[in-house]
Amino acid sequence: NAGVTQTPKFQVLKTGQSMTLQCAQDMNHNSMYWYRQDPGMGLRLIYYSASEGTTDKGEVPNGYNVSRLNKREFSLRLESAAPSQTSVYFCASSARTSASYEQYFGPGTRLTVT
Amino acid sequence: DQQVKQNSPSLSVQEGRISILNCDYTNSMFDYFLWYKKYPAEGPTFLISISSIKDKNEDGRFTVFLNKSAKHLSLHIVPSQPGDSAVYFCAASEVQNNAGNMLTFGGGTRLMVKP
Repeated sequence: NAGVTQTPKFQVLKTGQSMTLQCAQDMNHNSMYWYRQDPGMGLRLIYYSASEGTTDKGEVPNGYNVSRLNKREFSLRLESAAPSQTSVYFCASSARTSASYEQYFGPGTRLTVT
Repeated sequence: DQQVKQNSPSLSVQEGRISILNCDYTNSMFDYFLWYKKYPAEGPTFLISISSIKDKNEDGRFTVFLNKSAKHLSLHIVPSQPGDSAVYFCAASEVQNNAGNMLTFGGGTRLMVKP
């Protein structure tokens, strides 16, 4: 059981380049999330998908798009990268049942935009 | 404005002693609270949680206390061990809303347990 996997682990982009961060979970969870972590800011929600076929904006969605490809996979796309998007990106998933609200996180993607 | 705040960016404790990590929130609609632990180069891992209908939840060495009137929660680790050295994040959720379990995180507290 791999849990939540993310690719790539590291990426360096030039300003204006585009890229897609991939995330997959094998826990049969309904909900998936993308966060970014910046020093002193904790984790901030970019986008989430409450269930397959739906996506919604979080706290900091500007400059990003997402795709819930199927129940397992949720990707995050940067169309035109900016230095302000230098961060560590975490994907998470949750079962979203009345008995469980925990989210399970992947190992992260460290992105640098120069 | 941050709805969940961890005012101590770092905390240093001697092995065997108690570690107390604090968290304050402003949104009175939050009704479920979680603590996550994060090691460098890894994703956060769930540690312990508490519903707003309780004021205490215990799991082994970890206990979370919730004071709703003060909008304050704390994580106690007793006894502290060097392996507990990590960044701890407090998170809060509005379970009753349609978004289900969206989490709002605090900025984190780095705990260092000295042998």
